[in-house]
Amino acid sequence: QKEVEQDPGPLSVPEGAIVSLNCTYSNSAFQYFMWYRQYSRKGPELLMYTYSSGNKEDGRFTAQVDKSSKYISLFIRDSQPSDSATYLCAMVPGSWGKLQFGAGTQVVVTP
Amino acid sequence: DAGVTQSPTHLIKTRGQQVTLRCSPKSGHDTVSWYQQALGQGPQFIFQYYEEEERQRGNFPDRFSGHQFPNYSSELNVNALLLGDSALYLCASSLRTGGEAFFGQGTRLTVV
Repeated sequence: QKEVEQDPGPLSVPEGAIVSLNCTYSNSAFQYFMWYRQYSRKGPELLMYTYSSGNKEDGRFTAQVDKSSKYISLFIRDSQPSDSATYLCAMVPGSWGKLQFGAGTQVVVTP
Repeated sequence: DAGVTQSPTHLIKTRGQQVTLRCSPKSGHDTVSWYQQALGQGPQFIFQYYEEEERQRGNFPDRFSGHQFPNYSSELNVNALLLGDSALYLCASSLRTGGEAFFGQGTRLTVV
């Protein structure tokens, strides 16, 4: 079993819809949680960075962490075709060190 | 701020050869990590450097080695290349004291 599980998709949504992404994990030591966006053949771009449980909002993006369920989510409101990319969740036990990634979910937003 | 820069962007090598990839961290960052990302997969941690020493290592063979220079830039060396080493190699920089990790655009290595 992988430490971080993420549905690879693809997830196809119409423009303007809410995109809902999630990851589950098995290592209870994870404390810091990130979401990265990766366009084809490019490096990952950090979207959200959260510590422990709770919600964090940044513009159209909302990240949620539920440590009791070992479950994290990313919501994208008012999705745009430019949001079409692969979204990677990542987590780490301390404030730095080895990032453990999910496999990434491919999102396609259709006009 | 130039962010994390990697060179070269693309590289084609023959099986058995050796390759060196380079990374300059984001300004102010002192820690560099290297990841391998196969097609359709998430990045896999290779190792991390801080104060010119390897601090953590993932599950990669000794053919993968690295170096960090006094200016915090880093190199990844891979010896005796295998076809399976074909991947996107990513460099990430961060602060030793904590905080977000920022990635470069990656070096796409093709082994033929």
